[in-house]
Amino acid sequence: EVQLVESGGGLVQPGRSLRLSCAASGFTFDEYAMHWVRQAPGKGLEWVSGISGNSGSIGYADSVKGRFTISRDSAKNLLHLQMNNLSAEDTALYFCTKERYCTSSRCPFDYWGQGARVTVSS
Amino acid sequence: AIRMTQSPSSFSASTGDRVTITCRASQGISNYLAWYQQKPGKAPNLLIYGASTLQSGVPSRFSGSGSGTVFTLTISYLQSEDFATYYCQHYYTYPFTFGPGTKVVIK
Repeated sequence: EVQLVESGGGLVQPGRSLRLSCAASGFTFDEYAMHWVRQAPGKGLEWVSGISGNSGSIGYADSVKGRFTISRDSAKNLLHLQMNNLSAEDTALYFCTKERYCTSSRCPFDYWGQGARVTVSS
Repeated sequence: AIRMTQSPSSFSASTGDRVTITCRASQGISNYLAWYQQKPGKAPNLLIYGASTLQSGVPSRFSGSGSGTVFTLTISYLQSEDFATYYCQHYYTYPFTFGPGTKVVIK
């Protein structure tokens, strides 16, 4: 059974940093691209960042580029999101997601964690 | 970045209704389009990918169509469990983007 469990969320002051992690199990971690998607309170879904299975392809939303860094640890089956210089606009529930298998180079997301809540406030 | 729009943003419907939601991309994305359903307090659930392929386990009353810049999600016979918010998403190239969502509420 595929499981994605996020951790590292919390309350942080504006301008500070936070690191989210996602523990993955139930599938061959190295074979799938992984992504972070966030949802601000009462708002829609926003794709944040994605990383290929071998970490060779990485992408970021314009809203986080230069501040957030995605990475993965294949030895520990962990996905990370380092978030720097946080602002109130980054307050959201952050979901870890897994790309499904498909024949193209990019695929949609078939499994999601329950999310890690990040609140940026002084 | 490719911008995704959805229409309508919300609407009310009754069980048994046929429902269609439209998603438009600001540039061509071939068929790299997915639809998700989200219920309050839950993570999204993949319904359709490749614009028209039904994800395993999703009821056949859901269907998708389109290619290029215009796509539709159709629910042929609305059930009580279908009242939710629906999002389209392109995965054509980074950055991926979601549409703003369409909320389907009970009439």
